[in-house]
Amino acid sequence: GAVVSQHPSRVICKSGTSVKIECRSLDFQATTMFWYRQFPKQSLMLMATSNEGSKATYEQGVEKDKFLINHASLTLSTLTVTSAHPEDSSFYICSARSRTGGAPLHFGNGTRLTVT
Amino acid sequence: QQQVKQSPQSLIVQKGGISIINCAYENTAFDYFPWYQQFPGKGPALLIAIRPDVSEKKEGRFTISFNKSAKQFSLHIMDSQPGDSATYFCAASMGMTGNQFYFGTGTSLTVIP
Repeated sequence: GAVVSQHPSRVICKSGTSVKIECRSLDFQATTMFWYRQFPKQSLMLMATSNEGSKATYEQGVEKDKFLINHASLTLSTLTVTSAHPEDSSFYICSARSRTGGAPLHFGNGTRLTVT
Repeated sequence: QQQVKQSPQSLIVQKGGISIINCAYENTAFDYFPWYQQFPGKGPALLIAIRPDVSEKKEGRFTISFNKSAKQFSLHIMDSQPGDSATYFCAASMGMTGNQFYFGTGTSLTVIP
């Protein structure tokens, strides 16, 4: 089945630094990838929709200058949390859908970000 | 505004019992309803999905029941096992190619041996 690989699975960084999270579709091409944030025992909150070759679309309330998204190829999207603060600590999950359409959403295994 | 409402928030079931999780939606434009299973520290994994042209879909021990007129759908887990203990999310979108998936708030299922 379709596989979405997310890296790293865990990262600890100091306040003020930036962290990059990668999301790769391993066996299919994804024109669209989605980035979610999940707080403990809560649902997935869509942060942004990443389209290959164009600017990401951010959901209301998500700071685009803080959460930089790049979708440079059909198999790779990156999320960079810039100038991270403790309140950015969360579980970030990416998902992707095959460019052929009619395919369900497949999720990566998430990245646990802890900002100290 | 929560587009998809899910209940219960948590559920405890004895091994061998039936687990039932319910979801309701308002937007009649939704026409694709997947269920995802998430284990701690992992991303959600697609479990089973249904389109509104059928009232039921079964895959192994997992069954989705769909009531279009009531705008409700539910997940039934037959012969629940401790390994089924996870968080389950229902979702809805406008077609499988719809960009926006709306997720329920999740149900934490615990199956007691």
